[in-house]
Amino acid sequence: EVQLVQSGAEVKKPGESLRISCKGSGYSFTNFWIAWVRQMPGKGLEWMGIIYPGDSETRYSPSFQGHITMSADKSISTAYLQWSSVEASDTAMYFCARRQYLRVSWYDYYYMDVWGKGTTVTVSS
Amino acid sequence: DIQMTQSPSSLSASVGDRVTITCRASHSISSYLNWYQQKPGKAPRLLIYAASSLQSGVPSRFSGSGSGTDFTLTISSLQPEDFATYYCQQSSNTPPYTFGQGTKLEIK
Repeated sequence: EVQLVQSGAEVKKPGESLRISCKGSGYSFTNFWIAWVRQMPGKGLEWMGIIYPGDSETRYSPSFQGHITMSADKSISTAYLQWSSVEASDTAMYFCARRQYLRVSWYDYYYMDVWGKGTTVTVSS
Repeated sequence: DIQMTQSPSSLSASVGDRVTITCRASHSISSYLNWYQQKPGKAPRLLIYAASSLQSGVPSRFSGSGSGTDFTLTISSLQPEDFATYYCQQSSNTPPYTFGQGTKLEIK
């Protein structure tokens, strides 16, 4: 079964560092990009960025660039999302998702076909 | 970045109704449009990709259409399990792959 398993809920104080994880199984982890998506309480989905575990190439949304770091350890099929200093505004659910790729004629289609269950992050003093 | 706008933001309907949700892109995105369903406390679920292709395992009452800037998601006959929030997402060119703000489908 193809799945992404995310790490458990985190409670942090402002200014602390944090790293959450997303472990893939049931497929070739190094061949698919992994995206991270934020959902603040009661709000919609926000696309944060994407990483290719094969070579750790990353692409960040401008809204999140400089505040987060994405990384991956292909030896253990795990992607990471980390903060050097969390803020109260980082309180949210974070999802990882596999980016699927389909080529039809000259067109390259991308979509998120497998999702982790999410990691809840709470930042409070 | 490309902006995605969904309408309506919320919608009340009854079991058996035909429902249509609209998504508009700020620039043409050809058919690079996906639809997801999310239930409270759960991860999103892919319904439609490439504007009109049904993801494996998704009931055929869901369908997508459109190209360029205007897209629709249609549920032909609402079932109780369809009450959820629906998001469109563009995946044109390079990231970011922005989402619409969501449409909450509620029971009338």
